[in-house]
Amino acid sequence: EPEVTQTPSHQVTQMGQEVILRCVPISNHLYFYWYRQILGQKVEFLVSFYNNEISEKSEIFDDQFSVERPDGSNFTLKIRSTKLEDSAMYFCASSETYTSYNEQFFGPGTRLTVL
Amino acid sequence: RKEVEQDPGPFNVPEGATVAFNCTYSNSASQSFFWYRQDCRKEPKLLMSVYSSGNEDGRFTAQLNRASQYISLLIRDSKLSDSATYLCVVRGGGRRALTFGSGTRLQVQP
Repeated sequence: EPEVTQTPSHQVTQMGQEVILRCVPISNHLYFYWYRQILGQKVEFLVSFYNNEISEKSEIFDDQFSVERPDGSNFTLKIRSTKLEDSAMYFCASSETYTSYNEQFFGPGTRLTVL
Repeated sequence: RKEVEQDPGPFNVPEGATVAFNCTYSNSASQSFFWYRQDCRKEPKLLMSVYSSGNEDGRFTAQLNRASQYISLLIRDSKLSDSATYLCVVRGGGRRALTFGSGTRLQVQP
């Protein structure tokens, strides 16, 4: 069964450093998403991406964040200057289309720890 | 008011029990409704979509009441493997993003 993959599974970084989280969406999917989940809290939407541009973003997704699809398979989330409060699990998701009941498939997540 | 509100639990039930979870949402323009399941430190996985007419998938039954902005999930004949956090999720109102509730934790005991 096709699945979304994410690397690394765990990233530890110092405050102020840049990190890049990587995702490989399911191959025939067209819509890509990043969500995050701070420990003990709910899953929160960050950004959606379609046709090589951001289609929607949340208030969390400020200028410190950027997304890119550098090639035909990878989808990345960059945090330019990490803060302690960026520590969270980051989930990538993809969906085939954007119809009302179309399932978003989630990757296993990258746990980001900012020290 | 939270966009999607759930009782956090935990619900501790014996194997074989029937358990029901409820959820309310605040955006009346929401169009799509789902229950996801999340195991500890794992990704959310779709359990089932929720349709206006209600729908059933094996031991799981989901109901939607648009007038009351209320969604429910019923699990019959609980198994140990049902132990997880159940996330109520909505989408719509002009947004592509999924909006998650904080989840209801279920612990099924032998």
